[in-house]
Amino acid sequence: KNQVEQSPQSLIILEGKNCTLQCNYTVSPFSNLRWYKQDTGRGPVSLTIMTFSENTKSNRRYTATLDADTKQSSLHITASQLSDSASYICVVSATNFGNEKLTFGTGTRLTIIP
Amino acid sequence: NAGVTQTPKFRVLKTGQSMTLLCAQDMNHEYMYWYRQDPGMGLRLIHYSVGEGTTAKGEVPDGYNVSRLKKQNFLLGLESAAPSQTSVYFCASSYASGSPYNEQFFGPGTRLTVL
Repeated sequence: KNQVEQSPQSLIILEGKNCTLQCNYTVSPFSNLRWYKQDTGRGPVSLTIMTFSENTKSNRRYTATLDADTKQSSLHITASQLSDSASYICVVSATNFGNEKLTFGTGTRLTIIP
Repeated sequence: NAGVTQTPKFRVLKTGQSMTLLCAQDMNHEYMYWYRQDPGMGLRLIHYSVGEGTTAKGEVPDGYNVSRLKKQNFLLGLESAAPSQTSVYFCASSYASGSPYNEQFFGPGTRLTVL
């Protein structure tokens, strides 16, 4: 069964500090891995999409890493801001005969405090 | 360019009532999706559509019906609402699959409570 597990479930850090969120997956056949940011009361918004061959991808202060061998990904947030308070969802895509299926993690709830 | 919009934003139903959730997108996307999000669980796919006039079942389709009469609209219907359908519903859309970088764009969600 395809699964995506994220840790920690929740995290509180001071504004300006860095943090790293983890994602482990057992999804086959792997197509890509995505990180989404979901503000409270809003829909998820894509941060990055990484394929098998990509190890690192950055989007402003967000840097995602992917180790396809160990089936792990991380999302590193640098110099956190209050606006980074949100849930971060790891999503892994499996594609079989042209049909794509997404498996969503339960998310990490990040709170930035001033 | 409004992206993906959903109506209504909130709704309270009594058990057995019916309702329709409307999703609209103005990005000319071929694919559209309906998900539900429950506490402690990842988003789960209810139904999806790969083009006007087509629909297909997702992971949790029971108790829901959908229709895609126009490319820009995707309707989710609950014929006889049950408390287990209390959830936040998200619509999403994307271009047709083919690229691994194909992104799904999500609407703001509809919070549904069934009493």
